[in-house]
Amino acid sequence: QGQLVESGGGVVQPGRSLRLACEASGFTFSSYAMHWVRQAPGKGPEWVAVISYDGGNKFYGDSVKGRFTVSRDNSKTTLYVQMNNLRPEDTAVYYCARGYGDYDGWYFDLWGRGTLVTVSS
Amino acid sequence: SYELTQPLSVSVALGQTARITCGGNNIGNKYVHWYQQKPGQAPVLVICRNVNRPSGIPERFSGSNSENTATLTISGAQAGDEADYYCQVWDNFTEVFGPGTKVTVL
Repeated sequence: QGQLVESGGGVVQPGRSLRLACEASGFTFSSYAMHWVRQAPGKGPEWVAVISYDGGNKFYGDSVKGRFTVSRDNSKTTLYVQMNNLRPEDTAVYYCARGYGDYDGWYFDLWGRGTLVTVSS
Repeated sequence: SYELTQPLSVSVALGQTARITCGGNNIGNKYVHWYQQKPGQAPVLVICRNVNRPSGIPERFSGSNSENTATLTISGAQAGDEADYYCQVWDNFTEVFGPGTKVTVL
């Protein structure tokens, strides 16, 4: 069970910033690592980032490292990603996903419906 | 970086068996997970940790993993199985997805 609802997507110019949020419900949010996964139009999924259950560890995909920052507020059961210096190639549907597993890898057993980010001038 | 390969497309007659492969260097030493995605929807986990079916996934979905190839098998394919399928592994602190296979049920 559980539900994830993303928000914050929209159209943004190259070089600008955007923050996405993902509100979780129906499960113990603070017990799970959480991920962001994106999917460009007509392409397959691309992993963006993971944050551990307590926020103490974070890992990023190479294409966003140094530009995106993942965070979470367990009191609000909400996951965030701050996206800076956006590029046209960041255009995608951004999904949050619950991770099941550990530092030997996770799988994604619950996904949100996604929020579309379009980077264009 | 670790790369995964999948056939672009697989066709299967209704009720027959479809096999979707996911290739990677020594992938048999990793956990492989599989997702089904239909147009306009989020991916859905169908196989985790090589061989395990999550609750609610039909028994016709099964997985295997050995040496350099992991395989998702759909036994007795149904029209509703027509979708894109992606494999996924963890490597060097990165989650990696395969390029995807479009399954067509004839």
